[in-house]
Amino acid sequence: AQKITQTQPGMFVQEKEAVTLDCTYDTSDQSYGLFWYKQPSSGEMIFLIYQGSYDEQNATEGRYSLNFQKARKSANLVISASQLGDSAMYFCAMREGPGSNYQLIWGAGTKLIIKP
Amino acid sequence: ETGVTQTPRHLVMGMTNKKSLKCEQHLGHNAMYWYKQSAKKPLELMFVYSLEERVENNSVPSRFSPECPNSSHLFLHLHTLQPEDSALYLCASSPQSSGNTIYFGEGSWLTVV
Repeated sequence: AQKITQTQPGMFVQEKEAVTLDCTYDTSDQSYGLFWYKQPSSGEMIFLIYQGSYDEQNATEGRYSLNFQKARKSANLVISASQLGDSAMYFCAMREGPGSNYQLIWGAGTKLIIKP
Repeated sequence: ETGVTQTPRHLVMGMTNKKSLKCEQHLGHNAMYWYKQSAKKPLELMFVYSLEERVENNSVPSRFSPECPNSSHLFLHLHTLQPEDSALYLCASSPQSSGNTIYFGEGSWLTVV
C-alpha cells in the first residue's frame, strides 16, 4: 500500500491565485513528521515546510502553510498568492518514528505550473 | 546558495568508465545521504552515513560504491554502470540529533551511454 499519496500528477494555476497540493499518508506510528519539498527543473530539492505529528498548530513558512488534518491523515500544502517562480515539482514526504531521518518515504510528486 | 554542494552537475559516462560524484556540506551536519531520482519514480534512498559510518544500504548494486572520508564529504564511486542507472543523484545532509529537516544539494545529472 502507498504510504504517501499525491493524487494530482499535474496542476495549472493562474498567477496570484492560491494553490492547494494534496498529500495523504498512511502510518500506524504515533510519532511521525511530514515534509514538503520543491524541485525546480534545475534539480535541486528545496525544503519548504515541516509538520510534526504532535504539533498542535499548522506549520507556516512565509507563503507556504501546511493544512494538517490528523484524523484524515492529510497534509496538504497551501501556497498563497502564487508566483511564476512557484512552477516546479512538489514532493510530500513522511518520516516514521522519532528522530530517524533515514526512513523518509516520498510521494510521486505534483507538477505545478503557474500561468501568467 | 545551498549549504550542500554537488559536483559535477552533469556527467556523461560510458558503461566501462569509472567516475565519481562528490558532495560537500557546509552545515556542520553529521548525517549524509545519497538518493537516486529516476523519471516518474519516487526518490530512492541509496546510502546513509552517520558520523562517517554507513548505517543504511538499500540493496544498491555494487557498481555504486560510497565513501565518506569525513562528516563534510561524501562520494559516490561509479563503475561499469548500465544505461538504466541514468538518473538524477541527489546528496543530502541533516543534523544527527534533529529529526526535522534534510537539506539537499542541486543534484548530479548522470547519463550512461
